[in-house]
Amino acid sequence: ETGVTQSPTHLIKTRGQQVTLRCSSQSGHNTVSWYQQALGQGPQFIFQYYREEENGRGNFPPRFSGLQFPNYSSELNVNALELDDSALYLCASSLDSGTNTEAFFGQGTRLTVV
Amino acid sequence: GEDVEQSLFLSVREGDSSVINCTYTDSSSTYLYWYKQEPGAGLQLLTYIFSNMDMKQDQRLTVLLNKKDKHLSLRIADTQTGDSAIYFCAESSSGGSYIPTFGRGTSLIVHP
Repeated sequence: ETGVTQSPTHLIKTRGQQVTLRCSSQSGHNTVSWYQQALGQGPQFIFQYYREEENGRGNFPPRFSGLQFPNYSSELNVNALELDDSALYLCASSLDSGTNTEAFFGQGTRLTVV
Repeated sequence: GEDVEQSLFLSVREGDSSVINCTYTDSSSTYLYWYKQEPGAGLQLLTYIFSNMDMKQDQRLTVLLNKKDKHLSLRIADTQTGDSAIYFCAESSSGGSYIPTFGRGTSLIVHP
């Protein structure tokens, strides 16, 4: 148990719809990173939030957006869903946007777009 | 851009040692990591090594780093069936704000 919880665990959406995924950070952690893991691939960095501000972004289009709340929980929003958005979405929380050596991952949300 | 390569599969017998290999391209890599992912679960950080080290041992796990060849390995001694999982190699650097770049993962299968 890492203390990082994600919801929902599984989700099925139709192409063109919008989705919101949620992540509750480990207590005391102020940094959240989101990753997309397609089947058979390693996780790909989407973006990171540090103290409610975006603190880095990977190579993902603007329809991937996020929020971090004052309690440091976070949301990942994806608009205009495409079939290729089907993946496991992982969040990781850490204390400060440092070396990632103390980042803890949630169990992920499995998104299927049909 | 940065690239991390791993072989996709490794099959070993229970009790043997497993060695999972990884190569990376970013010569400015500062940290190198090994993560474990069990079916239906997120990633668990197993161990990491700083780039100025060449070896790190933690119980059954030994990490070897050859910085000249940009080669990282993870040795698991006395491999057990519970070690069956996907193992990801990752690297990060200050230039990338320490955001890890992951390989595709090596699926370790441990059979009796």
